[in-house]
Amino acid sequence: DTGVSQDPRHKITKRGQNVTFRCDPISEHNRLYWYRQTLGQGPEFLTYFQNEAQLEKSRLLSDRFSAERPKGSFSTLEIQRTEQGDSAMYLCALSRGEDYGYTFGSGTRLTVV
Amino acid sequence: GQSLEQPSEVTAVEGAIVQINCTYQTSGFYGLSWYQQHDGGAPTFLSYNGLDGLEETGRFSSFLSRSDSYGYLLLQELQMKDSASYFCAAPMFSGGYNKLIFGAGTRLAVHP
Repeated sequence: DTGVSQDPRHKITKRGQNVTFRCDPISEHNRLYWYRQTLGQGPEFLTYFQNEAQLEKSRLLSDRFSAERPKGSFSTLEIQRTEQGDSAMYLCALSRGEDYGYTFGSGTRLTVV
Repeated sequence: GQSLEQPSEVTAVEGAIVQINCTYQTSGFYGLSWYQQHDGGAPTFLSYNGLDGLEETGRFSSFLSRSDSYGYLLLQELQMKDSASYFCAAPMFSGGYNKLIFGAGTRLAVHP
């Protein structure tokens, strides 16, 4: 139990389909991040929420990507018209505080075929 | 911007000591974090160095030298379960909040 639940753990989808991932913090955290990780690479920043406000969106996120955090609790990441290049692990993380110790969820592994 | 460089792979034997280096280039630097990730698992926080010097947590220690733009993670008394990927990461500040920028990771293989 990492303190962050992500659903689903795995998703296989056909190119062109839409997918949505969910991140549920077990306890209240005002800072929530989404990262993407491909094989053999470190996590790459996608977007950041402070409570319900999305404060930054990486240029890695094209217009096909959208994220929300209604009520400042759980968050969703949607990818429209998926492409093979979207295949990756999508990680949700919560900030613990000033020691920059993020708590990561186990991630959603997306495979676009 | 920021970039962090670390070796792609390191191999060691059980019981030995291994050092994983990380060099960074950054327009603003606040400190260096280290994360461990087992295959198929989530990255887990190991340590943070906000000041120069050595921070020790059990078998793991982390070091930072700002003058050399360099840090390392030291793992002692290696165990098979230490086989994992290790990432250095640095916070980048923007608009009153931070986000972590990660290196590409070092894959550690511990052999009997």
